Amino acid sequence: SQQGEEDPQALSIQEGENATMNCSYKTSINNLQWYRQNSGRGLVHLILIRSNEREKHSGRLRVTLDTSKKSSSLLITASRAADTASYFCATVRDDKIIFGKGTRLHILP
Amino acid sequence: DTAVSQTPKYLVTQMGNDKSIKCEQNLGHDTMYWYKQDSKKFLKIMFSYNNKELIINETVPNRFSPKSPDKAHLNLHINSLELGDSAVYFCASSRSWGATQETQYFGPGTRLLVL
Repeated sequence: SQQGEEDPQALSIQEGENATMNCSYKTSINNLQWYRQNSGRGLVHLILIRSNEREKHSGRLRVTLDTSKKSSSLLITASRAADTASYFCATVRDDKIIFGKGTRLHILP
Repeated sequence: DTAVSQTPKYLVTQMGNDKSIKCEQNLGHDTMYWYKQDSKKFLKIMFSYNNKELIINETVPNRFSPKSPDKAHLNLHINSLELGDSAVYFCASSRSWGATQETQYFGPGTRLLVL
């Protein structure tokens, strides 16, 4: 299975700190995407990184991709209370997209 | 002005009943999806349609039948509901299919509770 698996499953940090989540997968991919899900809501796309890219930035988000290790990381800098949510990675290979189980991030005031 | 909308938002029903969930997207996308998210937040794809044609049909009981009357709509009909069907069902759409598929836009979800 190419399913991505996020690590850690849950993360609590103080507001203002940086949060890092990791995603590992098993097969080659076309691209990898990160999504956020607030409690009781649908998923919202954050950032997409293609297999030939190594790093991408979007505002306070930084995503890296290491295809040799089959892993990706999502860094949220200067965290805010509004960042409290679950974060999912999704891998795309050919015609399949598969979501991981998510990391629950809790930002403490 | 919602991009992907689903109805109903909540659905409480008895075992054995038949129910439908509707999904509409106004983004002009070619591809639409149905996902099931269980109590552990695991998100699993159920079906995918591209230009009204079924592309993905994961291991889902025959009681689940998707219907796409046009590119903007993908409805999900569930027959003989069971307790294990209780979950949140998300509809999503994306501009393209296959290796080029990119951002998915999700609806708000339908919370189904089978009693």
